[in-house]
Amino acid sequence: GEDVEQSLFLSVREGDSSVINCTYTDSSSTYLYWYKQEPGAGLQLLTYIFSNMDMKQDQRLTVLLNKKDKHLSLRIADTQTGDSAIYFCAGVSSNTGKLIFGQGTTLQVKP
Amino acid sequence: DTEVTQTPKHLVMGMTNKKSLKCEQHMGHRAMYWYKQKAKKPPELMFVYSYEKLSINESVPSRFSPECPNSSLLNLHLHALQPEDSALYLCASSQSWGTSGSYEQFFGPGTRLTVL
Repeated sequence: GEDVEQSLFLSVREGDSSVINCTYTDSSSTYLYWYKQEPGAGLQLLTYIFSNMDMKQDQRLTVLLNKKDKHLSLRIADTQTGDSAIYFCAGVSSNTGKLIFGQGTTLQVKP
Repeated sequence: DTEVTQTPKHLVMGMTNKKSLKCEQHMGHRAMYWYKQKAKKPPELMFVYSYEKLSINESVPSRFSPECPNSSLLNLHLHALQPEDSALYLCASSQSWGTSGSYEQFFGPGTRLTVL
């Protein structure tokens, strides 16, 4: 079935770059998304990438897509303490149109 | 404006109570969603409304009853809930619903529900 997997935890120092990785099984997903969830809050859409793109950059965020390996990554440059949150990658199921979420990666930023 | 609002922020209810969660968006979106989220887990889809009609019910127990009075509003009526229903309930909306197109979903802040 359709599946999205992420590592569960990442710890970085403030000012370093963070790279959060995601793999997915549905090769027909046309759009892939990154959401951020801070404690006690809803999900904030950070960015998305269309499946025919390799890279998308938006200020401190860079999304890389390797369609052959079904691998997606989110790079956060100059990571700040305010970036501490859970990051979910998600793909749209080509069969159902539903968002399929990964388990979420908790990013801890140490001062 | 990419805001989805939800009320109330917190709700505590007994197993015999009836309560409702409300969601509103003014982005002209024609698809609206209810999700349930347990701590440190991804959201689980419950219902999808497309053009004010129920399109998907993910086998949700009948003690949860969704309602879409118009294109901007989505309600979730709760009755005879169980303690295991305690969770964060998230509403989302998107321009449309389907398997193609960038129908990115915008989420509200959620209602934290506790069932005693």
